[in-house]
Amino acid sequence: NAGVTQTPKFQVLKTGQSMTLQCAQDMNHEYMSWYRQDPGMGLRLIHYSVGAGITDQGEVPNGYNVSRSTTEDFPLRLLSAAPSQTSVYFCASSYFTGGVSGYTFGSGTRLTVV
Amino acid sequence: DAKTTQPNSMESNEEEPVHLPCNHSTISGTDYIHWYRQLPSQGPEYVIHGLTSNVNNRMASLAIAEDRKSSTLILHRATLRDAAVYYCILRDDMRFGAGTRLTVKP
Repeated sequence: NAGVTQTPKFQVLKTGQSMTLQCAQDMNHEYMSWYRQDPGMGLRLIHYSVGAGITDQGEVPNGYNVSRSTTEDFPLRLLSAAPSQTSVYFCASSYFTGGVSGYTFGSGTRLTVV
Repeated sequence: DAKTTQPNSMESNEEEPVHLPCNHSTISGTDYIHWYRQLPSQGPEYVIHGLTSNVNNRMASLAIAEDRKSSTLILHRATLRDAAVYYCILRDDMRFGAGTRLTVKP
């Protein structure tokens, strides 16, 4: 049981490049989400999904796309990277049980856009 | 913005109890209160959650006000390893604020 696995752990992009941050969980959790955390700040919700085929926007969705084709995977796509997207990205998952289940977080992807 | 408010920082001495407050005045009747903590350079980890009654687990206790508009995370004996940022969130809201940075002094 690996929990929530994020890859890569570190990435440097040039402005305008695109890339996909991977997130996978092996706990059969229905709910998955992406957060970004800027230096010295709290986490901000980017996108979330309550099950395969269902996604929705969070607080800061602009510049990011998501899809959920399987229960296990929830990739985050940066369409055209900008320096403002330099941040640490965390993926989280949980059972969708009306609040009883806590989130399990991945260890994060540190992204730098130059 | 998140629906919870917390002090930016708190300090504690090692082996003393710590009470971390959280206000959530707009909480709905079915929303669970969750607490997480984030150690340096790590992702957040779940600490405890509750709905109406006070809760205890091996990590901490959660005291919930009778009107549910506030809660307090209690670390009974702070250790240096408890130094972290502590977040209080409403589970249905899914949004984290800036949290409380806890410093533990030896």
